Amino acid sequence: DAGVIQSPRHEVTEMGQEVTLRCKPISGHDYLFWYRQTMMRGLELLIYFNNNVPIDDSGMPEDRFSAKMPNASFSTLKIQPSEPRDSAVYFCASSRDRSLSPLHFGNGTRLTVT
Amino acid sequence: QKEVEQDPGPLSVPEGAIVSLNCTYSNSAFQYFMWYRQYSRKGPELLMYTYSSGNKEDGRFTAQVDKSSKYISLFIRDSQPSDSATYLCAMSATAGNKLTFGGGTRVLVKP
Repeated sequence: DAGVIQSPRHEVTEMGQEVTLRCKPISGHDYLFWYRQTMMRGLELLIYFNNNVPIDDSGMPEDRFSAKMPNASFSTLKIQPSEPRDSAVYFCASSRDRSLSPLHFGNGTRLTVT
Repeated sequence: QKEVEQDPGPLSVPEGAIVSLNCTYSNSAFQYFMWYRQYSRKGPELLMYTYSSGNKEDGRFTAQVDKSSKYISLFIRDSQPSDSATYLCAMSATAGNKLTFGGGTRVLVKP
């Protein structure tokens, strides 16, 4: 079990550029979550998928953010255009089902927008 | 006011001491309570979970939930330097995994 894999680990970009974050969940997990972590706001849920279908995107800050899950083994979070206030650590997590199975987090992508 | 409040610390203790962590919350619908541990530059990992009120023990870790006071606690006995991390409480109203996290408490266990 390789765990949840996120790429890149670090991303530095200039304001206005498009940023794409990638996630490979654990095989067999039905749920995939995107979180954002900042010092000010802590860990916030952005969006989650069940069986590749977006279930709740109420945490997505604004239209600049979009997420897709084209298949069970891959998801992307895109920010276009990026702004300095988007600087944060973005985590992807997956879980097996809707019960209290634990969330398995990746090691995050640290995004810096200058 | 945040839905889940947690003292950011840092909480510094000598090795072998008991670490006491807590969270308060405002949403009375929360029924599922979890504690996650996060090492620097890593993702959070689940330590403990409890349902409704009561205590749960797992090795050196004890989780307590007091729903009447909207207060949860985590105790770490015989703390080790390897316990140095940030501890996040998380809670949910349903058995689904849409969790609300506290801001985390940074713990330092000094040898």
